[in-house]
Amino acid sequence: DTEVTQTPKHLVMGMTNKKSLKCEQHMGHRAMYWYKQKAKKPPELMFVYSYEKLSINESVPSRFSPECPNSSLLNLHLHALQPEDSALYLCASSQETRGPFDNEQFFGPGTRLTVL
Amino acid sequence: AQKVTQAQTEISVVEKEDVTLDCVYETRDTTYYLFWYKQPPSGELVFLIRRNSFDEQNEISGRYSWNFQKSTSSFNFTITASQVVDSAVYFCALTPVGFNKFYFGSGTKLNVKP
Repeated sequence: DTEVTQTPKHLVMGMTNKKSLKCEQHMGHRAMYWYKQKAKKPPELMFVYSYEKLSINESVPSRFSPECPNSSLLNLHLHALQPEDSALYLCASSQETRGPFDNEQFFGPGTRLTVL
Repeated sequence: AQKVTQAQTEISVVEKEDVTLDCVYETRDTTYYLFWYKQPPSGELVFLIRRNSFDEQNEISGRYSWNFQKSTSSFNFTITASQVVDSAVYFCALTPVGFNKFYFGSGTKLNVKP
């Protein structure tokens, strides 16, 4: 199974809502990632989990809160978002050797988030 | 400083034409990996190739080929006999080995018209 799944596919939320994005992989990968992608831009790295521990946090605002309950699951909890947070949120996973980015990343289809 | 430049913002070709997507990178590290990813309209990035900085062999995979030249810091991607299904945004990326950093280029949007 070489697939990364993400739910939901689309999400519309108000600025006062709390929601969560979910990501799952069953490839035995020990590195998992969250990226944010605005239209016509490359993905921007948000967080990296390595062996279920947060290893990289790219100075993301605290209204985004990642969680890695086990080696197959990665969540992104959203609270009090702003309209400018509307974007495609991509999850990825990879094997990890010396560094989390040394191997190819397998990406999920993304969650398209709209904040009203 | 690390940087990946994809100067071609958008390219349009007619089906069956060959097309080359340019990628130029900057790094002071001697050991690094270069990648190409494809992002079709569906949104999911698809891995195409990884190249180690010590391996300058060009690679061919079906209609795809990659030309890695350290002397010019370039890692160009050629699609031969393009097809409509090749329409996507293509990203070149760089990571210095062992560093917790990943640098995407800005992407090149390829439109292949029937």
